Amino acid sequence: ELKVEQNPLFLSMQEGKNYTIYCNYSTTSDRLYWYRQDPGKSLESLFVLLSNGAVKQEGRLMASLDTKARLSTLHITAAVHDLSATYFCAGTSGGGADGLTFGKGTHLIIQP
Amino acid sequence: EAGVAQSPRYKIIEKRQSVAFWCNPISGHATLYWYQQILGQGPKLLIQFQNNGVVDDSQLPKDRFSAERLKGVDSTLKIQPAKLEDSAVYLCASSLTSGYNEQFFGPGTRLTVL
Repeated sequence: ELKVEQNPLFLSMQEGKNYTIYCNYSTTSDRLYWYRQDPGKSLESLFVLLSNGAVKQEGRLMASLDTKARLSTLHITAAVHDLSATYFCAGTSGGGADGLTFGKGTHLIIQP
Repeated sequence: EAGVAQSPRYKIIEKRQSVAFWCNPISGHATLYWYQQILGQGPKLLIQFQNNGVVDDSQLPKDRFSAERLKGVDSTLKIQPAKLEDSAVYLCASSLTSGYNEQFFGPGTRLTVL
């Protein structure tokens, strides 16, 4: 059974700083997803990482995947207030049954 | 392109009552998922459909929850009877098909059981 753990669960940081959110998973996952959720809103897809060594970047966010270490990271560069949200990573055991297994989420607050 | 639609957006019921949620996926998407998100947690998969067939319902509490997707498009999720611990947001998601396809989430239905 796939288990996904994120850390930290809560993070308060200042604008302009860099930080990394870590996502460990317990067994082989076909692919790794990162989602963003604003309060009271649904989930917005950020990245889909399909293979070992994959790196994707969008604006101030960069995600990477190391399948050997079963680790994905979400790096925030020069944070801005608009990035305040809860970030989830999720994996899937693969095959036809590809429902996502989510971590508990990282609640990120970026202060001016 | 229209996104995943869900209704109602909010529902308040008393325990032991019944409730139903409706989902309309993105046009052409064969795979539909229902997730339960309890406050402060990540979503948990309840059931996955491929067209009108069930692919995975291993985490669906079948004594009180049921779901159907009769014509392979819209889906309904029902809870009967509801318990206090069912208070959560119920999210519907769809993807083009199962496999390496992105899942798109609807706005969710927030259920409060009193």
